[in-house]
Amino acid sequence: DVKVTQSSRYLVKRTGEKVFLECVQDMDHENMFWYRQDPGLGLRLIYFSYDVKMKEKGDIPEGYSVSREKKERFSLILESASTNQTSMYLCASSTYGGDNQPQHFGDGTRLSIL
Amino acid sequence: KQEVTQIPAALSVPEGENLVLNCSFTDSAIYNLQWFRQDPGKGLTSLLLIQSSQREQTSGRLNASLDKSSGRSTLYIAASQPGDSATYLCAVRERRDDKIIFGKGTRLHILP
Repeated sequence: DVKVTQSSRYLVKRTGEKVFLECVQDMDHENMFWYRQDPGLGLRLIYFSYDVKMKEKGDIPEGYSVSREKKERFSLILESASTNQTSMYLCASSTYGGDNQPQHFGDGTRLSIL
Repeated sequence: KQEVTQIPAALSVPEGENLVLNCSFTDSAIYNLQWFRQDPGKGLTSLLLIQSSQREQTSGRLNASLDKSSGRSTLYIAASQPGDSATYLCAVRERRDDKIIFGKGTRLHILP
């Protein structure tokens, strides 16, 4: 089974801190994604990556950056955390597009910015 | 721009009933449609994936259908149980840019 592992289930940080959220997948997937999920807004795509060292902006990239130095690891970085970045963050991975290729999710990181 | 809509936003039904959750999408250029389950505070668990060339998929008490031309999918849950209580999300994988677009989900509560 595909396993997508997010480094922390819960995280509390302070305004202005630099925050790193880590995600690792074990199935050699090319595609990796970061979403945030908020009540009433659903899942929104922050950034995604099709390959090592590649990154593409999603729908809400402002205030975030990403790093993909190795195929299995995709990091989300909050450069200077703000309270409006308090949210549930979900990482996902998939192989290249095709009719029968599902997306697999980690368990999520609930991030609180104080 | 692809939009995915799920109706209703919330649903409560007595245990044992059969029920249908709805999902609609605006752009039919998709690879597939996926149904997920999410328990409170948890990540997403994939339930069923329907390829663009398929009409339906079944897993146990779950049956998902896809009508790509009309932009609709349904998730049918037979003989509902309290353990089915969760939020159900549908998502389409776009051909244009390989993105996954999600609906906002249906919160399902099965009454014992």
